[in-house]
Amino acid sequence: SQQGEEDPQALSIQEGENATMNCSYKTSINNLQWYRQNSGRGLVHLILIRSNEREKHSGRLRVTLDTSKKSSSLLITASRAADTASYFCAPSQVHQGGSEKLVFGKGTKLTVNP
Amino acid sequence: DAGITQSPRHKVTETGTPVTLRCHQTENHRYMYWYRQDPGHGLRLIHYSYGVKDTDKGEVSDGYSVSRSKTEDFLLTLESATSSQTSVYFCATWDSYNSPLHFGNGTRLTVT
Repeated sequence: SQQGEEDPQALSIQEGENATMNCSYKTSINNLQWYRQNSGRGLVHLILIRSNEREKHSGRLRVTLDTSKKSSSLLITASRAADTASYFCAPSQVHQGGSEKLVFGKGTKLTVNP
Repeated sequence: DAGITQSPRHKVTETGTPVTLRCHQTENHRYMYWYRQDPGHGLRLIHYSYGVKDTDKGEVSDGYSVSRSKTEDFLLTLESATSSQTSVYFCATWDSYNSPLHFGNGTRLTVT
């Protein structure tokens, strides 16, 4: 199965700074998705980037995708204390027969200090 | 997510007892997933379904079974609960591969 691996495992920054998280994967993908999880809650979808896209923006979020390096990055600009959460990437690959499973890594735990 | 309901939200059970967790969706999504989340392990896929009566195993399926008799319900059964199955269980649904996953709010299961 296709699993994304996030790096770093933990990141601590000051409010107002930018935060960059990376994701690596092993095989070709249809798209790659980023999710956020606040403590104890379900994951919330942030951005989906398709394999033919190189960059995508959503508010203070910027995602890049480099399929030649099999990697993606998530940049959060001008971070806020409310951005404190764990962030996960999920590469998506369609399997034979139409079954599809999204496998998550261990995530990056971001702490934004006021 | 308003379209996904997990029940129960919390459960404490004893070792050796069977337990069934329920995931109900109103989104009419084809795919449904059960994950467990433990400290240091992130989210691990237990089982998933790609249609009514179509299910497959994930990474950590031993000791778990699933059933999906209709589109909206996906049941996860721990046949004989063990302490190692103490975890937070998340259900998720998916419409198609170019759309996002939708997660439920989780079920916290404690096996004593």
